[in-house]
Amino acid sequence: KQEVTQIPAALSVPEGENLVLNCSFTDSAIYNLQWFRQDPGKGLTSLLLIQSSQREQTSGRLNASLDKSSGRSTLYIAASQPGDSATYLCAVQGFSGNTPLVFGKGTRLSVIA
Amino acid sequence: NAGVMQNPRHLVRRRGQEARLRCSPMKGHSHVYWYRQLPEEGLKFMVYLQKENIIDESGMPKERFSAEFPKEGPSILRIQQVVRGDSAAYFCASSPSSMNTEAFFGQGTRLTVV
Repeated sequence: KQEVTQIPAALSVPEGENLVLNCSFTDSAIYNLQWFRQDPGKGLTSLLLIQSSQREQTSGRLNASLDKSSGRSTLYIAASQPGDSATYLCAVQGFSGNTPLVFGKGTRLSVIA
Repeated sequence: NAGVMQNPRHLVRRRGQEARLRCSPMKGHSHVYWYRQLPEEGLKFMVYLQKENIIDESGMPKERFSAEFPKEGPSILRIQQVVRGDSAAYFCASSPSSMNTEAFFGQGTRLTVV
């Protein structure tokens, strides 16, 4: 059974700092991995999708890497801003495709101005 | 192209009442997933549907919960005889028929049972 763990559970950093969020998963037979952002009381916004054959994806100040063999992904946020404050969720999809996503509990990020 | 639409956004029910949550997938998407998020917990899969078919309901409680995705209209998640433990945010996601695609989520329905 796939399990996804995110460390740390919460993180507080000063504005401008570069930071890394970690995600690990127990079953390396994944189809893709997706990072989401969730603002309090809101829905999920997809940030980056990494296919199983890819090593990383970039979007603006965000960079996500995937090491499938070790069951790890990192989300790197450069030059953090107060507007980045949110909960970041990592989710993996099983090998068959269109199988449900398995989520971690998230990392709650606060960027202090 | 509107995103995934869920309604209502907030729903308050008394214990024992029924709750109906609706989800309209993105245009062209025929796969719908329902997830539940309890306070301080991650999202947990409940049920996966395609038009007129339940594909996987392994995450849905056997009692009181049901889901459908009719040929016409939105997907419905129905909770009968709600209890306080059903209070949570319920999210719907949709994807197109092809495999290995990005999941798009709605804004969720926040159910409060009083």
